[in-house]
Amino acid sequence: SAVISQKPSRDICQRGTSLTIQCQVDSQVTMMFWYRQQPGQSLTLIATANQGSEATYESGFVIDKFPISRPNLTFSTLTVSNMSPEDSSIYLCSVLVDRGPLRYTFGSGTRLTVV
Amino acid sequence: AQKVTQAQTEISVVEKEDVTLDCVYETRDTTYYLFWYKQPPSGELVFLIRRNSFDEQNEISGRYSWNFQKSTSSFNFTITASQVVDSAVYFCALSVGWNNNNDMRFGAGTRLTVKP
Repeated sequence: SAVISQKPSRDICQRGTSLTIQCQVDSQVTMMFWYRQQPGQSLTLIATANQGSEATYESGFVIDKFPISRPNLTFSTLTVSNMSPEDSSIYLCSVLVDRGPLRYTFGSGTRLTVV
Repeated sequence: AQKVTQAQTEISVVEKEDVTLDCVYETRDTTYYLFWYKQPPSGELVFLIRRNSFDEQNEISGRYSWNFQKSTSSFNFTITASQVVDSAVYFCALSVGWNNNNDMRFGAGTRLTVKP
C-alpha cells in the first residue's frame, strides 16, 4: 500500500504567521486530499488536490486561507495562512490506494497549535 | 447528502470484555462504500475495513468483526476480548465517490477506553 510521509509532525506557531505542511507519497497517485481535525472532533475535508489543476475546496474553506500545491503525482503541500488560535488542529493528507482493497490511506498528521 | 452517525461518544470497558461500536449511515446512492478507521493516541488513521454496498457479507478478522445490514443502514464493529491496545478513537466513514470524486464523510467517532 502507499506510504505517506507528512511533515512537520507538530508545530507551535505564532498568530498571524503561516505554516506549510508537506505530504510525500511513495507512489504516484491521482488524487490527494487534505483534512482538518479540530480538537476532539471528526475529520473534515478541506480540499481535493489533483496534479495539474487547481485544488477543489469544500464549503467553508478558501484558497486564500489554505493554498494548496500539487506539483507532481507524489507530492502536495497545504499552507495554513495568517493563522489564528482557531486553526489549531490536526491536519492530515490522504490518498486513494488502488493496490489491494481500495481504500483511503492517511498521513500521520500535523498537530498544529497556534498561540 | 451523505451522513454517518456514531451515537456512542465514549465507551469504557474492562479488558477481555466484548464491545460493539455502532455506525448508522444515510445515503440515496445505491452504490457506496463503508469504512472503519482506528485513530490511536499517536494520531494516525489506521484503515481497518472497507465494505461495498453490494456485499452484505459480514467479515471477521481475528478479534474484529463487522456486521453490515442494509435493511437498517448499519455497519457495526465488534471487538471480541478487548485489549488495552484497542484503546483509540474509531471512525466510521461513508463514500459514494471513488476515482472521480471524494465524497467521504466521517462519523463523529467513538472513543474506546479499555481498562486493564
